[in-house]
Amino acid sequence: AQSVTQPDIHITVSEGASLELRCNYSYGATPYLFWYVQSPGQGLQLLLKYFSGDTLVQGIKGFEAEFKRSQSSFNLRKPSVHWSDAAEYFCAVASVTGGGNKLTFGTGTQLKVEL
Amino acid sequence: EPEVTQTPSHQVTQMGQEVILRCVPISNHLYFYWYRQILGQKVEFLVSFYNNEISEKSEIFDDQFSVERPDGSNFTLKIRSTKLEDSAMYFCASRGVGAGNQPQHFGDGTRLSIL
Repeated sequence: AQSVTQPDIHITVSEGASLELRCNYSYGATPYLFWYVQSPGQGLQLLLKYFSGDTLVQGIKGFEAEFKRSQSSFNLRKPSVHWSDAAEYFCAVASVTGGGNKLTFGTGTQLKVEL
Repeated sequence: EPEVTQTPSHQVTQMGQEVILRCVPISNHLYFYWYRQILGQKVEFLVSFYNNEISEKSEIFDDQFSVERPDGSNFTLKIRSTKLEDSAMYFCASRGVGAGNQPQHFGDGTRLSIL
C-alpha cells in the first residue's frame, strides 16, 4: 500500500527566506505526486503535480517541486516566502490501482511565516 | 475557474441522526470522491465514484455510509445513525478525464459536528 511521510510537522521561516518542505513516498510503481495547500477554514488547493517527464515541476504561487526517484522524495520549494504563504501543506500520492486514483496524504506541514 | 462547491459549510447533528452532505462537482468531471479530516489528523480517503457506481472505498466507508449522484450535478454523502467519532471535516473532490492523469479538485469542505 502507498504511503506518504512529511517529517516536519511545523516549520517557521522569515518572510523573504527560502523554503523547503520535505515529502517522502512509498509506492510500487511510477507515482503520481501532488502538493496541496490548505489555509485555515478552506479546502485543499492544488499547488502542483508530477505525472512523468521533467522531474522539476512548477506550480502556482511561485512554488516548485523536484521528484527524485532514487530518494523517493518530492520536496516542495520556494525561493522567497511571503507572509501569505502561511498555511498547511500536504503532499499526496495517487494510486492508479483500484480504478479510482484515490489520494493518500501525508500528515501535513504547518508553515508559519515570521515578519 | 470552475470550482467544487459543498453545502452546508457547517452541519451540527445529534448522535444517531442521519446527515446528507452535498457536493456539486466541476461540471465536466466524471470521477468523484469523498475524503474526511478529523481535527488534527491527516486527510483520509473514503470513497471514489465513477459511472454511477463506487469504484473504490476505504475501510472507513462501512454500511453506515452511502453515496449517490441523484441528478446530473449533485454528488451526496449520506451518513446513517451518526456517531461522535464521525465529527470531522468532509471534503468532496472531482477529477476530469483527458490526456495523462488529471488532478483532483477539492471543495472547501463541510464541517460535521456530532453532539
